[in-house]
Amino acid sequence: ETGVTQSPTHLIKTRGQQVTLRCSSQSGHNTVSWYQQALGQGPQFIFQYYREEENGRGNFPPRFSGLQFPNYSSELNVNALELDDSALYLCASRGRENTEAFFGQGTRLTVV
Amino acid sequence: GENVEQHPSTLSVQEGDSAVIKCTYSDSASNYFPWYKQELGKGPQLIIDIRSNVGEKKDQRIAVTLNKTAKHFSLHITETQPEDSAVYFCAASKGYNTDKLIFGTGTRLQVFP
Repeated sequence: ETGVTQSPTHLIKTRGQQVTLRCSSQSGHNTVSWYQQALGQGPQFIFQYYREEENGRGNFPPRFSGLQFPNYSSELNVNALELDDSALYLCASRGRENTEAFFGQGTRLTVV
Repeated sequence: GENVEQHPSTLSVQEGDSAVIKCTYSDSASNYFPWYKQELGKGPQLIIDIRSNVGEKKDQRIAVTLNKTAKHFSLHITETQPEDSAVYFCAASKGYNTDKLIFGTGTRLQVFP
C-alpha cells in the first residue's frame, strides 16, 4: 500500500455532466499530481498542485480543474464530460522535491 | 513537446530468462528516468529510477541503463519469475520533477512458468 487513496474507485457519468474525483495524499506530502490513463496507454500528466497552488499543467483544456486543501487532500474536477474522458484517473503525492512520488490505485471513470 | 517511445508493446518470456524493454526520449533536457510496474487494478509502482549523471543502476534482478547521447534508456530484468508479469512503463522528466512525468505507452510482460 502506498498510503495514497482515491475515491470513488469506479463511477459512470453521462456526457455533458460534471465529475469530482478525490485523492488523499500520504501523510506529510504537500505535492500532488493528477494523471489520465486511457485504456492501453501510459498515464498523461494533467496538472500538479503544491501548497494549494497549481504548479504546472499538461496539455489538457480548462474544463479540467483542481483543488488542493490545507490538509493536502485534493480534487480533480472535470466539466462538460466527453466520451473521450473515459479513463483511469491517477493521483500521485510526494514530500520534498527529488523524492519518490507514490500513486493511488486510481478512479475508473466511464462516460456514456 | 517531450515524447517517450517504448518498445516492445508485448513481451513473452520463459521463467528464468531475461527481459529487456527499451525507451527513447526526445527532450535533451530530461534528466530523470523512472520505471514503473502496474498490475491489474492498481496504480503504477516505482521499481527503479536513474538520473542523467549515472549510466547504469542495479537493484537485485533489475537494472537500468542510460545513454544520454543517443537519448535512450533500457530496463533489464534477469531471472524472470511469474510474479514479474505486469505492464511496465518508462517515463522521463526534467529537473528534480519526480512527478511531472512523460510516460511511454507501456510493455505487457508475460512470464510463463
